[in-house]
Amino acid sequence: RKEVEQDPGPFNVPEGATVAFNCTYSNSASQSFFWYRQDCRKEPKLLMSVYSSGNEDGRFTAQLNRASQYISLLIRDSKLSDSATYLCVVNSKGSYIPTFGRGTSLIVHP
Amino acid sequence: EAGVTQFPSHSVIEKGQTVTLRCDPISGHDNLYWYRRVMGKEIKFLLHFVKESKQDESGMPNNRFLAERTGGTYSTLKVQPAELEDSGVYFCASSQGRNQPQHFGDGTRLSIL
Repeated sequence: RKEVEQDPGPFNVPEGATVAFNCTYSNSASQSFFWYRQDCRKEPKLLMSVYSSGNEDGRFTAQLNRASQYISLLIRDSKLSDSATYLCVVNSKGSYIPTFGRGTSLIVHP
Repeated sequence: EAGVTQFPSHSVIEKGQTVTLRCDPISGHDNLYWYRRVMGKEIKFLLHFVKESKQDESGMPNNRFLAERTGGTYSTLKVQPAELEDSGVYFCASSQGRNQPQHFGDGTRLSIL
């Protein structure tokens, strides 16, 4: 089983839709969680950290479920510019080496 | 504030040649990381510096790869001799603290012919 798993998609949604991605992790000692966004042939860019209590940044909401070992990203009112690959990144306690998922591709169409 | 910069942006070399990639982290970031993404695969960790010290190089594929960070500022990653399977995008990232979000450079696209 991979350490960090994501549905590669693509998720194909119309503008204005709400879409959610999940990311599961296998190491129960994982401590830090992040969502990054990567545009085609560009570098990953931090979208948001994921806190235990859940957090929101505009149209984006991230949540952590430690019991089931997954994090989620919810995007409301999708924009065309949201089209990208969303990478889940997990740091384990005691290790500062992040583990990346392969990413989930999102395509927002008019 | 300048971001993480990497040079070159692209490199095309023949098998057996040597290539050196450079990364300039964000000023003041002690933590510097190298990663590689092979086509169709996830981003994989290569190694981690704290200042000039290698903290973890468990992801380095083999001894053809050598990373340095003399003086704790910029870092270089040398591949010698390059093999076909070394092709990919090499990312550098930096962070202030070890468990804090990392900021990535644009990457170096390396093609071995």
